[in-house]
Amino acid sequence: DTGVSQDPRHKITKRGQNVTFRCDPISEHNRLYWYRQTLGQGPEFLTYFQNEAQLEKSRLLSDRFSAERPKGSFSTLEIQRTEQGDSAMYLCASSMGQHSGNTIYFGEGSWLTVV
Amino acid sequence: GENVEQHPSTLSVQEGDSAVIKCTYSDSASNYFPWYKQELGKRPQLIIDIRSNVGEKKDQRIAVTLNKTAKHFSLHITETQPEDSAVYFCAANYYGGSQGNLIFGKGTKLSVKP
Repeated sequence: DTGVSQDPRHKITKRGQNVTFRCDPISEHNRLYWYRQTLGQGPEFLTYFQNEAQLEKSRLLSDRFSAERPKGSFSTLEIQRTEQGDSAMYLCASSMGQHSGNTIYFGEGSWLTVV
Repeated sequence: GENVEQHPSTLSVQEGDSAVIKCTYSDSASNYFPWYKQELGKRPQLIIDIRSNVGEKKDQRIAVTLNKTAKHFSLHITETQPEDSAVYFCAANYYGGSQGNLIFGKGTKLSVKP
């Protein structure tokens, strides 16, 4: 499978715990994005990387959230001190090139439930 | 910043009829407009996209039209089938950040009744 892969697909955690999601983009893609999606809403942009550089962060990305892409390949999204409002699907996506007008391909998402 | 409005939020059609979903955007610098289909519990999948240098694009039963002056674009599905039932999202790229990203509409839940 050469698509975007995410792990884990589902995570249930207690409030206050930390969670980490991993994303492996399509191999030749140099852009990697994180989006969040709640029920009945469209994906909301969180952050993106051009290779290993994190170029933009949404105001939705509070200081409890941190994303890394240390070698310009896979990425991790960590949420510290989780809150119930963090429950959502976290979507990773990737694209080629230097511009925002290139096709973005999504992974299957990581569902987070905070209890 | 960019804002993308999508209508209707739900749409129910009979199999074989056409379905039209409309979106408007606010940033005149946007030049890329993809449409994604998302089935329950699955990832959004690109079904068609259009760039600002064309007004219409067609792929079998799916077509997208773009009116840059009015800042709106539409998805047209002809001869709908039950497997077209899903949530459809429009999006526009946004140059407000350093390189831009996609801003999505809130989605349209399409139900095709056999």
